[in-house]
Amino acid sequence: ELKVEQNPLFLSMQEGKNYTIYCNYSTTSDRLYWYRQDPGKSLESLFVLLSNGAVKQEGRLMASLDTKARLSTLHITAAVHDLSATYFCAVSDGNQFYFGTGTSLTVIP
Amino acid sequence: ETGVTQTPRHLVMGMTNKKSLKCEQHLGHNAMYWYKQSAKKPLELMFVYNFKEQTENNSVPSRFSPECPNSSHLFLHLHTLQPEDSALYLCASSQDPRDRLRSYGYTFGSGTRLTVV
Repeated sequence: ELKVEQNPLFLSMQEGKNYTIYCNYSTTSDRLYWYRQDPGKSLESLFVLLSNGAVKQEGRLMASLDTKARLSTLHITAAVHDLSATYFCAVSDGNQFYFGTGTSLTVIP
Repeated sequence: ETGVTQTPRHLVMGMTNKKSLKCEQHLGHNAMYWYKQSAKKPLELMFVYNFKEQTENNSVPSRFSPECPNSSHLFLHLHTLQPEDSALYLCASSQDPRDRLRSYGYTFGSGTRLTVV
């Protein structure tokens, strides 16, 4: 079974700072997804990364994929309070998704 | 709203009760899914329905019983649950089961927060 690990599990950061969330997975996959979940709300799709070296950016978030290292990163630039949420990565083995445990991000003024 | 609606949003039930969770989507999607989200655990896939037919059952206890009467509606019937079944139950849909692997994956509902007492 494909395993997905995220770290850190909890992240508290000050506004204006930069930080990176890491997502490691155990077997070969060329599709990786990032989701955001606000408390009590649905998972919202952020990015899909479909190939090695893929990089996507939306606002202050940038996601990248290294399929050889089986690693994806979600980089946060100049954090703002609105980014406080839980971020999940998910990987497909060609049949189903496997989700990481999530990273709970709190941005402090 | 994402296009996938789940009701109720919150549910408290005793271990001897019978209740049902409902999921509805009007996105024209053909596949629907139930996921369980427990604290500090990865999202767990429970059931997959493709064109109303159950295609996956990930070793879910029989106290959880899914029903998919049509491609727009999905139910999760609950009976004699245990306290460890308390979790957020998420419904999701996708255009095609293969689409979940290509594009933006699923569209999720907001979930039902279930507490078993």
